[in-house]
Amino acid sequence: EIVLTQSPATLSLSPGERATLSCRASQSVTRYLAWYQQKPGQAPRVLIYDASNRATGIPARFSGSGSGTDFTLTISSLEPEDFAVYYCQQRSNWPLITFGQGTRLEIK
Amino acid sequence: QVQLVESGGGVVQPGTSLRLSCAASGFTFNQYAMHWVRQSPGKGLQWVAVIASDGRDKHYADSVKGRCTISRDNSKNTLYLQINSLRTEDTAAYYCAKDRTLGPAAYYFDNWGQGTLVIVSS
Repeated sequence: EIVLTQSPATLSLSPGERATLSCRASQSVTRYLAWYQQKPGQAPRVLIYDASNRATGIPARFSGSGSGTDFTLTISSLEPEDFAVYYCQQRSNWPLITFGQGTRLEIK
Repeated sequence: QVQLVESGGGVVQPGTSLRLSCAASGFTFNQYAMHWVRQSPGKGLQWVAVIASDGRDKHYADSVKGRCTISRDNSKNTLYLQINSLRTEDTAAYYCAKDRTLGPAAYYFDNWGQGTLVIVSS
């Protein structure tokens, strides 16, 4: 099983600041990685797939980068609605799909 | 717009069975693979199972293999998950999720239902 480790567990920032979230895989997933956002009481929403492709309707302030074992989700300038939990997910060795444990982005 | 509505959750005793349903609308259901993903209270996300668009190919997470059966009725635009021999560790919100691409599963999830809660407790 490929283990995804996200850091930090919690990130405290203010609106307008830049957020950088990390996801590290226990072995290479090439570029088969997605990012999801989940708000309290809601289902996850896909933001990024294949490491850097924005999903339909996702604002340009969200960007993804990386390959192999190290990936980053960047939010260029935080909006109030961006404070949520973020998960990475790999599909490299399907069907053994795994998610990271999440990063909570909270308002400072 | 895509809509996925799960049902069938509830409080059940260990060792019993449950069938979850997911009614889909707003897209051509028979052209997409579909998934179940669960989330335990206070924990992260765990992929459970996938079924191909035509229902022929199915895969399961090791944690549910042998106890779960995923199925679909394309004439009713409905996805199912039968869970047998329920354990306390199966307690979770169960989401159905649409695969992102037409045809073979891409294992990315672009639309999710609101989830149905399964609580396994004696």
